[in-house]
Amino acid sequence: GQQVMQIPQYQHVQEGEDFTTYCNSSTTLSNIQWYKQRPGGHPVFLIQLVKSGEVKKQKRLTFQFGEAKKNSSLHITATQTTDVGTYFCGNTGKLIFGQGTTLQVKP
Amino acid sequence: IAGITQAPTSQILAAGRRMTLRCTQDMRHNAMYWYRQDLGLGLRLIHYSNTAGTTGKGEVPDGYSVSRANTDDFPLTLASAVPSQTSVYFCASSDQGGDTQYFGPGTRLTVL
Repeated sequence: GQQVMQIPQYQHVQEGEDFTTYCNSSTTLSNIQWYKQRPGGHPVFLIQLVKSGEVKKQKRLTFQFGEAKKNSSLHITATQTTDVGTYFCGNTGKLIFGQGTTLQVKP
Repeated sequence: IAGITQAPTSQILAAGRRMTLRCTQDMRHNAMYWYRQDLGLGLRLIHYSNTAGTTGKGEVPDGYSVSRANTDDFPLTLASAVPSQTSVYFCASSDQGGDTQYFGPGTRLTVL
């Protein structure tokens, strides 16, 4: 069946380092959404990308949708302890999510 | 405005017992969803409903049932709980199917 894979599954970084998580789909997606889940919390919507090659920024977060609309990435510049959590990509049209990347930030 | 609420917050349940997890939203969203979250497996869809009166099966529907009698409520029932159903369950809603989803706070269920 259709799958969305995320890598890495876990990432530990020192505060101030950059972080990137990658999302790969086996098929073309109409859009990609990113969610953040803080420890003990619930997923919260961050952003949606729709266009091929689209790049969107939210402060230190940069989201990119691949040209073929089969992959996406989330890059965090100069991580802070508030960035700790699990980041999920997914396509809510097909109701599929990646397994998430859990980010730990050491102060 | 509460958004989307779930009850109970957590529950310990003996295997074989019947359990209903409740989910209510006050956003008048048409679509609602149930996911389970297990370590390393992310969010897996159990059942969904695109509108009141209709439901559909997700990736992992076995052992679970849902109903959507009205717009606001979307209960999830475990007819006879088994230990493999130990998980965190999230309910979510969206204005229409495919739109941004808003998640409830979750129910942590342990089946012994």
